[in-house]
Amino acid sequence: EVRLVESGGGLVQPGGSLRLSCAASGFILSSYEMNWVRQAPGKGLEWISNISSSAINTHYADSVKGRFTISRDNAKNSVYLQMSSLRAEDTAIYYCASGDLYFRYWGQGTLVTVSS
Amino acid sequence: DIQMTQSPSTLSANVGDKVTLSCRASQNIRSGLAWYQQKPGKAPHLLIYRASILESGVPSRFSGSGSGTEFTLTISSLQPDDFATYYCQQYNTYPWTFGQGTKVEIK
Repeated sequence: EVRLVESGGGLVQPGGSLRLSCAASGFILSSYEMNWVRQAPGKGLEWISNISSSAINTHYADSVKGRFTISRDNAKNSVYLQMSSLRAEDTAIYYCASGDLYFRYWGQGTLVTVSS
Repeated sequence: DIQMTQSPSTLSANVGDKVTLSCRASQNIRSGLAWYQQKPGKAPHLLIYRASILESGVPSRFSGSGSGTEFTLTISSLQPDDFATYYCQQYNTYPWTFGQGTKVEIK
């Protein structure tokens, strides 16, 4: 069974940093492009970043470019999202999802709250 | 960025109804479109990709059509499990973008 499990969410002050992790099981993560998608409370979905299977290529939404960094460790079957200079509008559930174009497997999400 | 506009925002229907959800892209995305279903408190679930290909395990009452800028998701006979929010997503051009969602609720 494919399972993606996010962790690392929590409450952080504006301007702070947080690192999210996504651990995969039942799934050879190294074969897949991986993404982070977020959903603000009561709002729709927003794709924010992806990373190629080899980690050579990354892409970001303008809303997070320069503040967030995606990375991966295929040996640990994990993907990460380093978030810095956090703003109130970054408050959301953050999902990791597999796929190079569309998203077949999703984690359950981790909640990030940016508030003083 | 490519804007994805879904209509209606909310759709009220009965079990057994045929329902059609629309998704419009601000520019030509060819067939680079996926549809997802999301229930409250859960992650989205892939239903259709490449505009019309049904994901494995998804009931055949779901179907997708369209290309270019106009797309539809049809549920041929609405079931109790189908009351949820549906999102379209384009993957023709970065950044990938989603529509704002259509909530299908019980009439």
